[in-house]
Amino acid sequence: DTGVSQNPRHKITKRGQNVTFRCDPISEHNRLYWYRQTLGQGPEFLTYFQNEAQLEKSRLLSDRFSAERPKGSFSTLEIQRTEQGDSAMYLCASSTTGSHSPLHFGNGTRLTVT
Amino acid sequence: AQTVTQSQPEMSVQEAETVTLSCTYDTSESDYYLFWYKQPPSRQMILVIRQEAYKQQNATENRFSVNFQKAAKSFSLKISDSQLGDAAMYFCAYRSGGNYQLIWGAGTKLIIKP
Repeated sequence: DTGVSQNPRHKITKRGQNVTFRCDPISEHNRLYWYRQTLGQGPEFLTYFQNEAQLEKSRLLSDRFSAERPKGSFSTLEIQRTEQGDSAMYLCASSTTGSHSPLHFGNGTRLTVT
Repeated sequence: AQTVTQSQPEMSVQEAETVTLSCTYDTSESDYYLFWYKQPPSRQMILVIRQEAYKQQNATENRFSVNFQKAAKSFSLKISDSQLGDAAMYFCAYRSGGNYQLIWGAGTKLIIKP
């Protein structure tokens, strides 16, 4: 168990550019979550996958955001035409099935849009 | 809708002493789970302790214990013998049984004074 891995750790981009983040969950975890966290706040839910199916997408997620988990393993989160308000930490977490199952988080990707 | 409230934005404690972080939640459900997560500065979010609502016994993990008051909808975290490494943001989170979504509190910043 190598834990949840996220890449890159940091991303600085200019407004209007597209960015893509990757998350590799713990191998036996079938659930994968994306959260956004701004300084001093708790995580905000963005989207959730069970295996390869994206089961929910938050209303916070505009059409500029898209996430995939093509083979039920790693996931990508893409932000198109970035805006300064997209600057945040993007957290990925994974878990097994079950309400009692805790989330295991990655180190996050810090996005700065200039 | 369920909500989670952490009324203490910041707490400080002397090293080796005991501190209690507060969390209250609002729900009409009877089947749910409660979690405390720790997020050290620039490091990943990790699970500290979890409590199943159907269990009357308070959860304990080494120096960390909870005071779960179901009728009062209170879920406080007690940290005994505080250590410098305990300095972090602490988040309380709620999850309904049969659900995947976590509802997060705003967090409490814990400062340990040497």
